[in-house]
Amino acid sequence: RKEVEQDPGPFNVPEGATVAFNCTYSNSASQSFFWYRQDCRKEPKLLMSVYSSGNEDGRFTAQLNRASQYISLLIRDSKLSDSATYLCVVTMTGTYKYIFGTGTRLKVLA
Amino acid sequence: NAGVTQTPKFQVLKTGQSMTLQCAQDMNHEYMSWYRQDPGMGLRLIHYSVGAGITDQGEVPNGYNVSRSTTEDFPLRLLSAAPSQTSVYFCASSKPRQGGNSPLHFGNGTRLTVT
Repeated sequence: RKEVEQDPGPFNVPEGATVAFNCTYSNSASQSFFWYRQDCRKEPKLLMSVYSSGNEDGRFTAQLNRASQYISLLIRDSKLSDSATYLCVVTMTGTYKYIFGTGTRLKVLA
Repeated sequence: NAGVTQTPKFQVLKTGQSMTLQCAQDMNHEYMSWYRQDPGMGLRLIHYSVGAGITDQGEVPNGYNVSRSTTEDFPLRLLSAAPSQTSVYFCASSKPRQGGNSPLHFGNGTRLTVT
């Protein structure tokens, strides 16, 4: 089983739709969690950190479920510009180990 | 604020040639790392460093060397380029914090083709 797993997609959604992605992780010692956005052939860019109580940044909401070992990203009112690959990243307690999922591809359609 | 700077952006090598990919950061980050990204495979860690003078291997270190003589710079050396090293290379850095890791900051990437 991979340490971090994501549905590769693509998720094809119309503009204005709400879409959610999950990312599961296998190691219960996982400590810090992040969502990154990566556009084609560009570097990953931090979208948001994921906090235990859940957090929101505009149209984006991230949540952590430690009991079921997954994090989620919800995008409301999707824009064409949200089309990208979304990577989840998990780090381990006491280490510098960053584990990347392979990404979920989102296409927002006009 | 420059952040993480990688050079060159593009490079074409012949099999057997050597070269160095440069990475510099101006954020005083202790942690620096190199990843390669291939289609359908996600990001794979090549080497990383937790401070000047300290380096360690990642998931795919063969064929690559690194050194960390200063906090700011973390060059990646390809000793004898092979077509299998054709990839996009990203340098990333972070600063440790109490209670967990801080997010990685990425450079713009180097697109390397080995013929």
